[in-house]
Amino acid sequence: ELKVEQNPLFLSMQEGKNYTIYCNYSTTSDRLYWYRQDPGKSLESLFVLLSNGAVKQEGRLMASLDTKARLSTLHITAAVHDLSATYFCAVPRNSGGGADGLTFGKGTHLIIQP
Amino acid sequence: GAVVSQHPSWVICKSGTSVKIECRSLDFQATTMFWYRQFPKKSLMLMATSNEGSKATYEQGVEKDKFLINHASLTLSTLTVTSAHPEDSSFYICSASPRTFTYEQYFGPGTRLTVT
Repeated sequence: ELKVEQNPLFLSMQEGKNYTIYCNYSTTSDRLYWYRQDPGKSLESLFVLLSNGAVKQEGRLMASLDTKARLSTLHITAAVHDLSATYFCAVPRNSGGGADGLTFGKGTHLIIQP
Repeated sequence: GAVVSQHPSWVICKSGTSVKIECRSLDFQATTMFWYRQFPKKSLMLMATSNEGSKATYEQGVEKDKFLINHASLTLSTLTVTSAHPEDSSFYICSASPRTFTYEQYFGPGTRLTVT
């Protein structure tokens, strides 16, 4: 059974600081997704990582994927208050291609304080 | 592009009644749609996979007779919560995968169900 673990689950940090959220998963997958969720809202897609070594950046967020280590990271650079949200990583349940339901991590609740 | 809508966005119903939630892909055709539920301050849990023109595949522990899923067209899937009870109160979110880019999964805005 696929397990997806995120850490930390809760993170309070100051504006301007850097930090990394980690996502480990238990079975082989060459795809990994990162989402942001604001309170009371649905998911906003941040990154889709499709291969080993994939790195994507958008603004102050950068995500990477190491399929051999079954690890993805979401790095926050010079955090700003607007990045406060809950961040989820998710992995397809099956390693084959095509549309597949996702198994989500528990989420990282990020609070960025002035 | 790639917009998924849900209707209603929130609904309150009485215990014992049924509620239907619609999920539509507005600007693409979705062969596959997924239904998730999320309890407060929790993660998302996959309930079922819905393929156009065929029966839905339910995850272990999800009652198929309680959560009826119909995927009648390439742009519409519906989830009906039958004989709802307070423990069914949750945030229900659908997602859809386009026919041409099946690795993509676009999420709807969610439906908040409260059963009194």
